[in-house]
Amino acid sequence: QSALTQPPSASGSPGQSVTISCTGTSSDVGGYNFVSWYQQHPGKAPKLMIYEVTKRPSGVPDRFSGSKSGNTASLTVSGLQAEDEADYYCSSYAGSNNLVFGGGTKLTVL
Amino acid sequence: EVQLLESGGGLVQPGGSLRLSCAASGFIFSSYAMSWVRQAPGKGLEWVSAISGSGGSTYYADSVKGRFTISRDNFKNTLYLQMNSLRAEDTAVYYCAKDRNNWPTDAFDIWGQGTMVTVSS
Repeated sequence: QSALTQPPSASGSPGQSVTISCTGTSSDVGGYNFVSWYQQHPGKAPKLMIYEVTKRPSGVPDRFSGSKSGNTASLTVSGLQAEDEADYYCSSYAGSNNLVFGGGTKLTVL
Repeated sequence: EVQLLESGGGLVQPGGSLRLSCAASGFIFSSYAMSWVRQAPGKGLEWVSAISGSGGSTYYADSVKGRFTISRDNFKNTLYLQMNSLRAEDTAVYYCAKDRNNWPTDAFDIWGQGTMVTVSS
């Protein structure tokens, strides 16, 4: 199963919005609403930010939002803050009891 | 507090074996599927294996099928990963992760701190 495709990097200034894409196929992202997004700071464990494409776990700021169109899911971070600087990974169920992650996107707050 | 604590990582020679453990607390362990996710140094995340809440169903990535075995002890609230025939490419931080519900999961909502496995001669 191939990894989902994410841009290696993204950036924005404080207060701005940035969107990270996650492209798969009709067998994973396009076929299921089991897309999730994780934030990972250096040396730390991943943290769930979005699940089921658009839902936010309790405690995650509403500056983080998710969406999907066809085979591409997106994570938007609005009102960028310094602490948002981290690696972000998307994930999707891929059928046949497989789960795939994206390669990760390093978000830099300028 | 919901918590996952991995242990058992270390240095092992190619072809060797290692067993990882993950102690869970703060939630009804048997009610949730659990997974192992790994991250090679400087690389992205890779799902490795999952097990149903009862332990009756197990699932593996193709890269570890036939070499790794996932299991759980719901009395001890502990998840395991037995890793055999280890290869250099298995070198990674191994995370224990709680599935948000049953398998197939829609997300992993709790992660452990990870345990490092290094396969090298």
